[in-house]
Amino acid sequence: DAGVIQSPRHEVTEMGQEVTLRCKPISGHDYLFWYRQTMMRGLELLIYFNNNVPIDDSGMPEDRFSAKMPNASFSTLKIQPSEPRDSAVYFCASSPGLAVYNEQFFGPGTRLTVL
Amino acid sequence: QKEVEQNSGPLSVPEGAIASLNCTYSDRGSQSFFWYRQYSGKSPELIMFIYSNGDKEDGRFTAQLNKASQYVSLLIRDSQPSDSATYLCAVNNAGTASKLTFGTGTRLQVTL
Repeated sequence: DAGVIQSPRHEVTEMGQEVTLRCKPISGHDYLFWYRQTMMRGLELLIYFNNNVPIDDSGMPEDRFSAKMPNASFSTLKIQPSEPRDSAVYFCASSPGLAVYNEQFFGPGTRLTVL
Repeated sequence: QKEVEQNSGPLSVPEGAIASLNCTYSDRGSQSFFWYRQYSGKSPELIMFIYSNGDKEDGRFTAQLNKASQYVSLLIRDSQPSDSATYLCAVNNAGTASKLTFGTGTRLQVTL
């Protein structure tokens, strides 16, 4: 398996523009997670899905952020409108299922810069 | 109070020495504990997990868990320059299934 795939790897945009980040989880994994990483706040969970259904979106910072998972092999994280403080590395991760010790496998991340 | 706390470092150890990385957590209901390694510019990768009190060894790595003290640590024996990275402690709670809370990480530097 190719692992978790994310695109784009780098995104530079101007404030106010819409940004869409994409993720393809590992085949057969039931859980998908979106994280944001910054130097100040570390790795923060934004939202996670189980079998394509959003389970917990309490980490989504505000209404400008939205996430969808239309099928088991694709998810998007959208920011509209983007702001400079959204600049961060966004990781997608997937996990095979519910277990005490389930491992999350991370994608390579998308480095977002909002000017 | 942060849910998962780590010293940001950098922790500098000479090659061949033991590196000791520490993590404390606030939720007494936490069930499982993970150590991820993250190289600069890369994504986190799992090194070890532990869910029982005591020690768990895997090669040069040993995870230690003390639930009464809400403390988990990672020991790296015979440290190598390739171990230089940021180490993230992550904690989950059975009540929240797969959800992990990460610490901000400790940066380890292994010097020649």
